Amino acid sequence: DGGITQSPKYLFRKEGQNVTLSCEQNLNHDAMYWYRQDPGQGLRLIYYSQIVNDFQKGDIAEGYSVSREKKESFPLTVTSAQKNPTAFYLCASSIVLLSIAFFGQGTRLTVV
Amino acid sequence: KNEVEQSPQNLTAQEEEFITINCSYSVGISALHWLQQHPGGGIVSLFMLSSGKKKHGRLIATINIQEKHSSLHITASHPRDSAVYICAVSDYGGSQGNLIFGKGTKLSVKP
Repeated sequence: DGGITQSPKYLFRKEGQNVTLSCEQNLNHDAMYWYRQDPGQGLRLIYYSQIVNDFQKGDIAEGYSVSREKKESFPLTVTSAQKNPTAFYLCASSIVLLSIAFFGQGTRLTVV
Repeated sequence: KNEVEQSPQNLTAQEEEFITINCSYSVGISALHWLQQHPGGGIVSLFMLSSGKKKHGRLIATINIQEKHSSLHITASHPRDSAVYICAVSDYGGSQGNLIFGKGTKLSVKP
């Protein structure tokens, strides 16, 4: 079955450690996105990628990094520079930019 | 800045009730999306529309471009419809790749 897989579902890390969230899709989509969701707020775009080896910053990219070495994969690294990393992270993909998006199940990151 | 506003924030309904969730936006858009987020967190795209009306099963989405307003209707609601419904717009003037999201409407349908 085609879809987007995010792993892990829950992640705990100590403050000051970098952590990488995985996002894999087998939909053959060119565009991929990372969003952050906080309680009572709409989703906010962290990074997006339209094509392999290319990615662009979203509204809240500071403290995050991404790579897009393969079409299927768009991992997000939450670095120690991110001041408030505890949040719910959602990965999405679409055939082309801003077309109907398919979302993963999300990763809830808690930094203690 | 609240470029996408949804109402109501919370909605409780009895099974079989007709439900309406509203979305107003203040920017020029190329398309509007309705999404459904279940308690586990995963999001499903319900509709993407730029004019008129779309229907899928018991769900109907309408958009009025002149009034910058969209509605999501659920007919014959069921407890399994309980979820957060999110409106998002593709902003002409915004950065490429960015959807602007509303804060969501939490719907609870009681049996």
